[in-house]
Amino acid sequence: KQEVTQIPAALSVPEGENLVLNCSFTDSAIYNLQWFRQDPGKGLTSLLLIQSSQREQTSGRLNASLDKSSGRSTLYIAASQPGDSATYLCAVSGSTGGFKTIFGAGTRLFVKA
Amino acid sequence: DTGVSQNPRHKITKRGQNVTFRCDPISEHNRLYWYRQTLGQGPEFLTYFQNEAQLEKSRLLSDRFSAERPKGSFSTLEIQRTEQGDSAMYLCASTRAGRGWTGGAYNGYTFGSGTRLTVV
Repeated sequence: KQEVTQIPAALSVPEGENLVLNCSFTDSAIYNLQWFRQDPGKGLTSLLLIQSSQREQTSGRLNASLDKSSGRSTLYIAASQPGDSATYLCAVSGSTGGFKTIFGAGTRLFVKA
Repeated sequence: DTGVSQNPRHKITKRGQNVTFRCDPISEHNRLYWYRQTLGQGPEFLTYFQNEAQLEKSRLLSDRFSAERPKGSFSTLEIQRTEQGDSAMYLCASTRAGRGWTGGAYNGYTFGSGTRLTVV
């Protein structure tokens, strides 16, 4: 059974810091991994999607890496800003029959001005 | 296309009442998913449709819950005889899957803003 763990559960940093959010998953038979952002009381906004054949994806100040064999992904945020404050969720999607997209519980990020 | 749309945004209901939520996916997306999210947790899968066919249901989906996607476009999620434990954010997502694909969301999901249900 696939399990997704995100560490840390919460993080508070001063503005301008570079930071890394971690995601690990127990079953390496994934098709892709997706990072989402969620603001309080809102839906999920997709940030980056990494297919299993890829090692990383970049969008602006965000960079996500994937090491499928070790079951790990990291989301790197450069030069953090107060507007980055949100919960970041990692989700892995399976590659074999039926539904297998599993979410982690998220990392709650607070960037202090 | 304005993305995935969910209505209502908020619903407060008394215990024992029935509620229905609606999701309008991105028009070219053939797959539609329903998730439930409680405070401090990630979304949990409830059910999904490929076109009008409901292909999988989670054990979380008790017999008080029913979902439909009658024409393969919008979907409704109904909860009968609501309980306080049903209070959560109900999220809808859509994606496009190729013919015969039975895996997860290989092109990634697009989520709606959710419907927050409070049962009092």
